[in-house]
Amino acid sequence: GESVGLHLPTLSVQEGDNSIINCAYSNSASDYFIWYKQESGKGPQFIIDIRSNMDKRQGQRVTVLLNKTVKHLSLQIAATQPGDSAVYFCADTGATNKLIFGTGTLLAVQP
Amino acid sequence: NAGVTQTPKFQVLKTGQSMTLQCAQDMNHEYMSWYRQDPGMGLRLIHYSVGAGITDQGEVPNGYNVSRSTTEDFPLRLLSAAPSQTSVYFCASSLVGTGSYEQYFGPGTRLTVT
Repeated sequence: GESVGLHLPTLSVQEGDNSIINCAYSNSASDYFIWYKQESGKGPQFIIDIRSNMDKRQGQRVTVLLNKTVKHLSLQIAATQPGDSAVYFCADTGATNKLIFGTGTLLAVQP
Repeated sequence: NAGVTQTPKFQVLKTGQSMTLQCAQDMNHEYMSWYRQDPGMGLRLIHYSVGAGITDQGEVPNGYNVSRSTTEDFPLRLLSAAPSQTSVYFCASSLVGTGSYEQYFGPGTRLTVT
């Protein structure tokens, strides 16, 4: 991940809208990608993962898209709810099979 | 299952003091790891273990020691605390060999070094 200083990128959405959180990764050898959600004061919680042999995977209200050509990962949340407000981290395995975390994006859901 | 538990939740140390952060899991996971989380830096891997008796360094290991005498426990030791070690520490665990790298995280320990 790339440091963006002390202030997290923030995505502000209206309740009920769809959210798209983006992530860039640097290592073209990464073959596994994962999204975590972290609520204030808690540990990260698994949302969804995807392997490099796929370009899309869907879960409940969430979809992960992988574009290996431009090394880009996105998390789409359908019908965003106030409970979705959190920091979202992407992570990939890099060249070492150890998860490398991005700096996170703060999702703020407005009622 | 309690999942991954960490103690203490909060700790204040003076520079030079030592302490151990405790981590335990009851899911029979082979893989355990320690991360630190600083503002704007994401989660950085300190040390990890793929099984009892096996440990290895992560991205930021200096100033920390670990041991893994049992599958369940993976304590993190700060040898001589420094203000730069002020952070939130997370322990995580996962199965090995499933094709997934999903890790289960504990609630964290917030450490302040003055």
